[in-house]
Amino acid sequence: KNEVEQSPQNLTAQEGEFITINCSYSVGISALHWLQQHPGGGIVSLFMLSSGKKKHGRLIATINIQEKHSSLHITASHPRDSAVYICAVWEYGNKLVFGAGTILRVKS
Amino acid sequence: DAGVIQSPRHEVTEMGQEVTLRCKPISGHNSLFWYRQTMMRGLELLIYFNNNVPIDDSGMPEDRFSAKMPNASFSTLKIQPSEPRDSAVYFCASRSDSNQPQHFGDGTRLSIL
Repeated sequence: KNEVEQSPQNLTAQEGEFITINCSYSVGISALHWLQQHPGGGIVSLFMLSSGKKKHGRLIATINIQEKHSSLHITASHPRDSAVYICAVWEYGNKLVFGAGTILRVKS
Repeated sequence: DAGVIQSPRHEVTEMGQEVTLRCKPISGHNSLFWYRQTMMRGLELLIYFNNNVPIDDSGMPEDRFSAKMPNASFSTLKIQPSEPRDSAVYFCASRSDSNQPQHFGDGTRLSIL
């Protein structure tokens, strides 16, 4: 079993839909990252969080440390949100572990 | 403001050759990370530096891989000798402190024939 599990693996949505991507992990962590990788390959760090909730534009990330779970939400989704979304956790001891990614396609 | 700069963008070379990947972090950032991405294994952290000092190199796959950061504005990742299984996209990232997000370079696509 991977230490970081993402769901779903693939997601297709219609433009305007509310999207949720989930990340569960099995170890103690000091922080969790959400990354976005566009079809061209570039990677952007969306959020780094260790508790609570963060919001940036149409993106919201939440984390529940007790349940070892984080969600990334996209409101009013748009085709330009199509990308791979990757969850990564910093384990205690400075080990960074990545999820396999969620492939999101937003259709117009 | 320039982001993280990686070179070369693409490299194709024959197995057994030495490969050197380069990274210039964002000025003022004191942490630098090297990652590898493959279809089979996804993203993996290879090594990271704080203030030019390697903190954790447990992700470096074997002794053929080495990384250096001689100063705050430059780092190299070297593979010697290279093997076909080293073919991947190698990303470099930097951040200003542990509470800030990482900024990624565009990556180096490496193909070992």
